Amino acid sequence: NAGVTQTPKFRILKIGQSMTLQCAQDMNHNYMYWYRQDPGMGLKLIYYSVGAGITDKGEVPNGYNVSRSTTEDFPLRLELAAPSQTSVYFCASGGLAGGADTQYFGPGTRLTVL
Amino acid sequence: AQSVAQPEDQVNVAEGNPLTVKCTYSVSGNPYLFWYVQYPNRGLQFLLKYITGDNLVKGSYGFEAEFNKSQTSFHLKKPSALVSDSALYFCAVRDRPGGYQKVTFGIGTKLQVIP
Repeated sequence: NAGVTQTPKFRILKIGQSMTLQCAQDMNHNYMYWYRQDPGMGLKLIYYSVGAGITDKGEVPNGYNVSRSTTEDFPLRLELAAPSQTSVYFCASGGLAGGADTQYFGPGTRLTVL
Repeated sequence: AQSVAQPEDQVNVAEGNPLTVKCTYSVSGNPYLFWYVQYPNRGLQFLLKYITGDNLVKGSYGFEAEFNKSQTSFHLKKPSALVSDSALYFCAVRDRPGGYQKVTFGIGTKLQVIP
């Protein structure tokens, strides 16, 4: 299993541009999450999904959108990029049985907005 | 609301010495507690978790953590530190029973093991 994969690894955007961060998991997990990590701030939850077709806001959703059309994929959309969105973005997934509550993280996407 | 605190930004320990990384939490009910480790330029990796049962939880790479309900703590420990243990460590908590699996992470503690 590849686990959780994220693309791209790095990206530089100009202010006002948009982009989609891709996330996919092959563990058949129902739960998927997007976090951002800023120095000294830990991880902040942006959006999460409890299954295909169901998404909800986390702590810091402004400026982002998500969709979950399949169990495997959970893309994060940035519209009108701003310097405040410069961060490292992590996607994670989690199951219900056995390893329930354990989250499995992707390698991250480092985004810079200039 | 649930919260977690990691009171130390950085912990320095000599190789071979025991290490402790501190974590305290606040939940309204009984907690699920987790430790994750992050190596440079990597995503977080699960180390161990407390769900129920024995207060001493053993995890990956020789790490263990002790759940102390009266002190609302879940400190991470290892008897003998290795240089390769140097990384960023995150404590996390989830209140239960929960609806979805929202977990609150601490801000992280940098562990530096000195050769």
